Amino acid sequence: EVQLVESGGGLVQPGRSLKLSCLASGFTFSNYGMNWIRQAPGKGLEWVASISSSSSYIYYADTVKGRFTISRDNAKNTLYLQMTSLRSEDTALYYCARGGSYYYWGQGTLVTVSS
Amino acid sequence: DIQMTQSPSSLPASLGDRVTITCRASQDIGNYLRWFQQKPGKSPRLMIYGATNLAAGVPSRFSGSRSGSDYSLTINSLESEDMAIYYCLQHNEYPLTFGSGTKLEIK
Repeated sequence: EVQLVESGGGLVQPGRSLKLSCLASGFTFSNYGMNWIRQAPGKGLEWVASISSSSSYIYYADTVKGRFTISRDNAKNTLYLQMTSLRSEDTALYYCARGGSYYYWGQGTLVTVSS
Repeated sequence: DIQMTQSPSSLPASLGDRVTITCRASQDIGNYLRWFQQKPGKSPRLMIYGATNLAAGVPSRFSGSRSGSDYSLTINSLESEDMAIYYCLQHNEYPLTFGSGTKLEIK
């Protein structure tokens, strides 16, 4: 059974950093690109970043470019999102999703940026 | 960036109705269009891929279609479990972009 489990969310002050993780199981993680998508409270879905299976290709939304870094460790079956210079508008539930199909999603981890 | 204009934002409907939600792409995206269903407190669920293909486990009352730059999700014979928010997603090019969502609710 495919499982994606996000962690690392929490309350953080503006300007600070936070690193999210997504632990994958039930499939060969190194064969799939991965994605981060977020959803602000009561708002719609926003694509954040994508990374190819071997990390050769990485893409970011303009809203996070230069502040967020997506990475992965295929040996640990884990996807990461390093978030720096956090702003209030980064407050959201952060989901990881598998590959180009977007069939499998995690349950999300909540990031709240507030003083 | 490709804009996905989704309509309507809210759709009151009765059980048994046939409803249609539409996304218009600002540029050519081919058939790189997916539809998701999201219920309160839940992760999005893939419903349609490739604009017209039903994802695994999705009831056959759901269907997707394309007319030029307009992409539609149609639900035949609405059931109570279909009440949710629906989003389209274009994945033809980065940055990927979602539609703004359509809240399907009971009239």
